[in-house]
Amino acid sequence: DAGVIQSPRHEVTEMGQEVTLRCKPISGHDYLFWYRQTMMRGLELLIYFNNNVPIDDSGMPEDRFSAKMPNASFSTLKIQPSEPRDSAVYFCASTLGLAGEEQFFGPGTRLTVL
Amino acid sequence: AQKVTQAQTEISVVEKEDVTLDCVYETRDTTYYLFWYKQPPSGELVFLIRRNSFDEQNEISGRYSWNFQKSTSSFNFTITASQVVDSAVYFCALSEGGNNFNKFYFGSGTKLNVKP
Repeated sequence: DAGVIQSPRHEVTEMGQEVTLRCKPISGHDYLFWYRQTMMRGLELLIYFNNNVPIDDSGMPEDRFSAKMPNASFSTLKIQPSEPRDSAVYFCASTLGLAGEEQFFGPGTRLTVL
Repeated sequence: AQKVTQAQTEISVVEKEDVTLDCVYETRDTTYYLFWYKQPPSGELVFLIRRNSFDEQNEISGRYSWNFQKSTSSFNFTITASQVVDSAVYFCALSEGGNNFNKFYFGSGTKLNVKP
């Protein structure tokens, strides 16, 4: 069974450009999470969805960040315009949503904004 | 306030030494879950173990063991006879009861360096 799939694995862009990160959760999982990992701030939860509906976006840093989940098998995290401080590894994770169940993480997207 | 504290930023040991990674959590809920994840140098996050608040039994899995103590709000992780392949960043996480039980609070991680 395929795990969580993220694309691209690496992205290098210039400041001011739009960046779109993609995630396909594990089939049947109802919850999808976007995290950002940096040396300074560690692993931060940005937003999570339940059945394609955003539940908690309190971790989204600012209006330049937006996330969508148009269907159960696809989600995007968009940064527009990107800034150098957005450079990080972005992880997507999914889970069935049962209490106490672990989250399954994708391989991450390493974003570098020049 | 941090819900999960991993006070050890980085630990270095020599192969075959035992090492304990500390995790202290904070919650007012009576039902909660604790997790450990491993992040090797390749970058992926790998689930290791979960424990619910009603099960204080310690667990052993090969060279890995976990000590859950509600009295001290700790969920420590011990690696016995460490190996170079154990080198990674280890994260402890908490999820609380109630409606937001799927929201994980991660600690800042402990980087373990095992030298040959």
